[in-house]
Amino acid sequence: GAGVSQSPRYKVTKRGQDVALRCDPISGHVSLYWYRQALGQGPEFLTYFNYEAQQDKSGLPNDRFSAERPEGSISTLTIQRTEQRDSAMYRCASRSPGQDYEQYFGPGTRLTVT
Amino acid sequence: SQQGEEDPQALSIQEGENATMNCSYKTSINNLQWYRQNSGRGLVHLILIRSNEREKHSGRLRVTLDTSKKSSSLLITASRAADTASYFCATVSSGSARQLTFGSGTQLTVLP
Repeated sequence: GAGVSQSPRYKVTKRGQDVALRCDPISGHVSLYWYRQALGQGPEFLTYFNYEAQQDKSGLPNDRFSAERPEGSISTLTIQRTEQRDSAMYRCASRSPGQDYEQYFGPGTRLTVT
Repeated sequence: SQQGEEDPQALSIQEGENATMNCSYKTSINNLQWYRQNSGRGLVHLILIRSNEREKHSGRLRVTLDTSKKSSSLLITASRAADTASYFCATVSSGSARQLTFGSGTQLTVLP
């Protein structure tokens, strides 16, 4: 596609439910990143994939958060047993190996946990 | 965690004036980037400056980098109402992941 896409754009869920957020990167981009952005703050790194390999998950806040990219393209960020503090904008970005570290961001998924 | 601080947190100027935003960071970097975020929209890459560069231009944008002071500035000349947005600096540290570490952002408002 023309850019990074994410779905859903908005997700409202009740506390304790699991949610799955999807990211479809730019075709050919082997590097994929997940970030979380609280209101009024800059994005914070969660995890990074190179092709299908999750090479860095140091930013995941706890073991309720997980991510996968099984075929090296689409990625899913899953949050189990959601809590109100998980409410935030979740952003995905991808990068081409030929680019000088510029990342292309998707529109984000606004998650609200009630 | 956030890499550093941006200054000012908010800036309001008249159309046609120049806007300057500053960014400080804490660790050694490979490069520093500036991104813009319009209200309710995604992040857009503006400009990248490498650690061995001191100044870079792109259109109405001018970025400087002082690695000895661990600081950068973004200058937008002849501002327009459409420049109203949040501006974030982001650093890339050495290492294979190349993840961005963002500052807390400057909210710029350009009044027509």
